[in-house]
Amino acid sequence: GAVVSQHPSRVICKSGTSVKIECRSLDFQATTMFWYRQFPKKSLMLMATSNEGSKATYEQGVEKDKFLINHASLTLSTLTVTSAHPEDSSFYICSASSPISYNEQFFGPGTRLTVL
Amino acid sequence: QKEVEQNSGPLSVPEGAIASLNCTYSDRGSQSFFWYRQYSGKSPELIMFIYSNGDKEDGRFTAQLNKASQYVSLLIRDSQPSDSATYLCAVNQAGGSYIPTFGRGTSLIVHP
Repeated sequence: GAVVSQHPSRVICKSGTSVKIECRSLDFQATTMFWYRQFPKKSLMLMATSNEGSKATYEQGVEKDKFLINHASLTLSTLTVTSAHPEDSSFYICSASSPISYNEQFFGPGTRLTVL
Repeated sequence: QKEVEQNSGPLSVPEGAIASLNCTYSDRGSQSFFWYRQYSGKSPELIMFIYSNGDKEDGRFTAQLNKASQYVSLLIRDSQPSDSATYLCAVNQAGGSYIPTFGRGTSLIVHP
């Protein structure tokens, strides 16, 4: 099956710093990638939809200047949390969709961000 | 606004029993339906997808779709403690660029 990787799997940073998370589709081309955030014991929340070569579409309430998304190629999307604060601590998960498989979503393993 | 509803649970069933998870959706244009399993602290993993009315079986799992009533369900036969997880229902529209809609998930507990 299709594999999506995320890096890093876990990151701890100081308040005010920026953190970049990479999402890669390893064996298929993903024209669309999605970024989610999940707080403990809460549901998956879509942050933005990332299309290769175009600007990301952000969900209501998600600050585009704080969560920078770049989808430079068909296999790589990055999420940068700028000037991170403790309230940004969360589990960030990316997914990539495969149009050849009814748009099934393949999830990355997630990145646990802790901001001190 | 597209909505996908799931009972948050927890749904508690004894080992060996059938667990029944339900999901309703509001958008009649929805075309494909997915069930994901998410263990605590992990990302979701696909269990099954279905796009035609009726039942689809895969091992101990059966997905059931009724487009007229706008619901999709997941049955887990011979439930095992390892099935204890949160089950997410996701609904897509057909083709092109789309945004999948996830339910909040149902927590399943299978006790020995």
